[in-house]
Amino acid sequence: SQQGEEDPQALSIQEGENATMNCSYKTSINNLQWYRQNSGRGLVHLILIRSNEREKHSGRLRVTLDTSKKSSSLLITASRAADTASYFCATANAGGTSYGKLTFGQGTILTVHP
Amino acid sequence: DGGITQSPKYLFRKEGQNVTLSCEQNLNHDAMYWYRQDPGQGLRLIYYSQIVNDFQKGDIAEGYSVSREKKESFPLTVTSAQKNPTAFYLCASSIGFWVSSNQPQHFGDGTRLSIL
Repeated sequence: SQQGEEDPQALSIQEGENATMNCSYKTSINNLQWYRQNSGRGLVHLILIRSNEREKHSGRLRVTLDTSKKSSSLLITASRAADTASYFCATANAGGTSYGKLTFGQGTILTVHP
Repeated sequence: DGGITQSPKYLFRKEGQNVTLSCEQNLNHDAMYWYRQDPGQGLRLIYYSQIVNDFQKGDIAEGYSVSREKKESFPLTVTSAQKNPTAFYLCASSIGFWVSSNQPQHFGDGTRLSIL
């Protein structure tokens, strides 16, 4: 079952611009994670934000979490052509039979033009 | 360098054939996972294992089987009962399952399975 819904499905920007991707989810979570996937490769973990955190930074990445709206956003600042990839949010479910499992969204395809 | 190795990178299955995808990790992680990814889709959980000699069905286990005889290894068999096996299969691991709620998962580079 899909927990995270991502928006937009695809994003095309110029190098140097900022990229913002959004993720919405439906049930209570322990944390929300963002992953990156280059074409034909596995996923790489970018950042994890816990349910009691509101904002987290890692290099050019900034993640926010609003548990009242059940949504998160990933901001990539000063984007580079090498940032071109698919980005997935994943929620770690807080209870029930899905406790501890990660549920992935469908992803946002980011293209950064040089 | 620690990581997860999946093999083969590409695999072709004939009608009625079972095929096995290999996943090996040297991260000393207790928990391991198998996901299926279809084009333009997110990941769906097939099976997971919290510890050696234990595994649980995920959301789409029908037509698949696994074993976990060693901590390092979690092979996935795609059986002939899986009628639509063409997909990208990803193996992952994490330090533990119950603590994985606050731990990231580490992924291999996947196996692409196609029907001949």
